[in-house]
Amino acid sequence: RKEVEQDPGPFNVPEGATVAFNCTYSNSASQSFFWYRQDCRKEPKLLMSVYSSGNEDGRFTAQLNRASQYISLLIRDSKLSDSATYLCVVNSNTGGFKTIFGAGTRLFVKA
Amino acid sequence: DVKVTQSSRYLVKRTGEKVFLECVQDMDHENMFWYRQDPGLGLRLIYFSYDVKMKEKGDIPEGYSVSREKKERFSLILESASTNQTSMYLCASSLLDPGLYGYTFGSGTRLTVV
Repeated sequence: RKEVEQDPGPFNVPEGATVAFNCTYSNSASQSFFWYRQDCRKEPKLLMSVYSSGNEDGRFTAQLNRASQYISLLIRDSKLSDSATYLCVVNSNTGGFKTIFGAGTRLFVKA
Repeated sequence: DVKVTQSSRYLVKRTGEKVFLECVQDMDHENMFWYRQDPGLGLRLIYFSYDVKMKEKGDIPEGYSVSREKKERFSLILESASTNQTSMYLCASSLLDPGLYGYTFGSGTRLTVV
């Protein structure tokens, strides 16, 4: 089992739709979580942190569920410009600091 | 904004060549990292450095070495390039703990070894 798993997609949604991605992690001692966005042939860019209390930034909402060991990203009112790959990142500090990147979920938003 | 600059966007090298990938950051970050990204595998850590002349192995250091002679510059060296090192290489830096502040990535170097 991978330490961090994401559905690779692709998710194909129309403009204006709401779409959600999950990311599961195996290390229950994981401490911090992020979502990154990566456009085609570009570098990953930090989208938002994920907190236990949830985190909202405009149309984007990130949630953490420690009991079930997953994080989620919800995008409301999808725009064409949201088309990208979304990477989840899980950090732990057991036996030394470690960052694990998920392989990403591809999203295509269509007109 | 922090800027992380990688010297080459695309490189084609021959098997057995020694390859240097350069990375420079302009915000005085202590920590610098080299990752490679392959389809379906996510980013994998090759080496990182938390100070000048310091280096630590990541998850896949075999076949690579690094150099950090100045705080702003972190170089990745492929001692003898092989075809299985064809990949996208991403340099990153972070302010203090990346678990708190995240990473800033360079635009990547797409290396093809033929």
